[in-house]
Formats: sequence, C-alpha cells, structure tokens
Amino acid sequence: DGGITQSPKYLFRKEGQNVTLSCEQNLNHDAMYWYRQDPGQGLRLIYYSQIVNDFQKGDIAEGYSVSREKKESFPLTVTSAQKNPTAFYLCASSASLTSDTQYFGPGTRLTVL
Amino acid sequence: AQKITQTQPGMFVQEKEAVTLDCTYDTSDQSYGLFWYKQPSSGEMIFLIYQGSYDEQNATEGRYSLNFQKARKSANLVISASQLGDSAMYFCAMRSYNTNAGKSTFGDGTTLTVKP
Repeated sequence: DGGITQSPKYLFRKEGQNVTLSCEQNLNHDAMYWYRQDPGQGLRLIYYSQIVNDFQKGDIAEGYSVSREKKESFPLTVTSAQKNPTAFYLCASSASLTSDTQYFGPGTRLTVL
Repeated sequence: AQKITQTQPGMFVQEKEAVTLDCTYDTSDQSYGLFWYKQPSSGEMIFLIYQGSYDEQNATEGRYSLNFQKARKSANLVISASQLGDSAMYFCAMRSYNTNAGKSTFGDGTTLTVKP
C-alpha cells in the first residue's frame, strides 16, 4: 500500500529535550512538508522540501530542524529552542511543489511535560 | 501574503440536507489552487476537492462541489445529502504556484455536525 507513515502516534518528552518525529513515504514524491496544528486551529507550515538535500523554511520554522537525505524520508527535530512544542504534527507529500494534491500522514501528537 | 478566512467556527445540518461551508481567500498571485480537506476526530487530513484558479467550471467530486467565485475570492464547499459520517472539521486551503510555490495556507476550519 502506498502512503505516508508517521511514527510514533503519541510522543511524550520532558521539557528541554530534543525530539525527532519520523515521516516516511513510498509514493515516490519529490516534495515533502511538515505542518503544525494547535487545538481548534488550521495547519501552519514548518518546513518543506522539493527535492533531496534541499529544504526551505515555512512560516514557523524557529525551534525546528529537518533533513532530507533520502527521497522517502523527511524527519523533523523539535529542539529545546521551540518555546511551545506541544501540538499535533502532520507530514505531507506531493509529486512536486506545484502538484494539485498533498497526501497527509496520520500525524504525531507531541506532548512536552 | 496569502490568507484564508473561514467565518463559521461551527455549523449544524440535518442528515440528508445540503450544507455550504464558507471560505474566502486573499492572494496577489494569478496562479493558485484551492483545496478542501476533512479532518475527523482521528486527526488525519482527507483531501476532498480541488479548484485551480484558471478552471472555468466549478469542481465536483461525488457529493462535494466547490462554488468558485473568483471575482469575490470565495471558494465555498457544498456538501449535498449530508451523512452522519460527514461530522468533522473542514479546512479550506490554498497553494500558490507563483511567488510562494509549495507553500500552503490553511484557514482555521469549520466544525460540521450532522444531526440524525
């Protein structure tokens, strides 16, 4: 089955710790994205990548970092510099940056204690 | 800058009736796409329908149709024959294909509740 996987579904971390969220896709898509969603709000773009070894900051990149060493993987690290990291994180991919459709993963709910 | 406005935080509809969810947008780009997504309580984002800025016909996908009025910069979602399973959060989004290629902007969503 083609799709996007995110792991884990729920993640708990202590304040001050870095944490890495996994995102893998087997759709052979060039573009991948990370979004953050806070309760009752829409999605906000953190980082996006149009091709391997290239990525761009989105609207709320501060306190986050990404890498794109393989086409199918786009991990997101939430660093201790992120002031309010508790949120729902969604990964998405599309064939290209200008494709009509983005496909979303199931999301990771991060809680920082 | 791109902006999406969804003015209805919550909507109720009777089962089997039609409902319209409002969405207005703001952009200076000429080439862009408009999207609607459904988000059930599980959190997954389900793509519903797409409308390109140059498409002359309103998009339709089964029970979903998009009422696109370019001059008014509105892209309302119409759900016909509502079902109990339609109860969810609905998001309007846009992507620019010019100056901000790849960046999507989402509205704050509308919570739809279908009553039996």
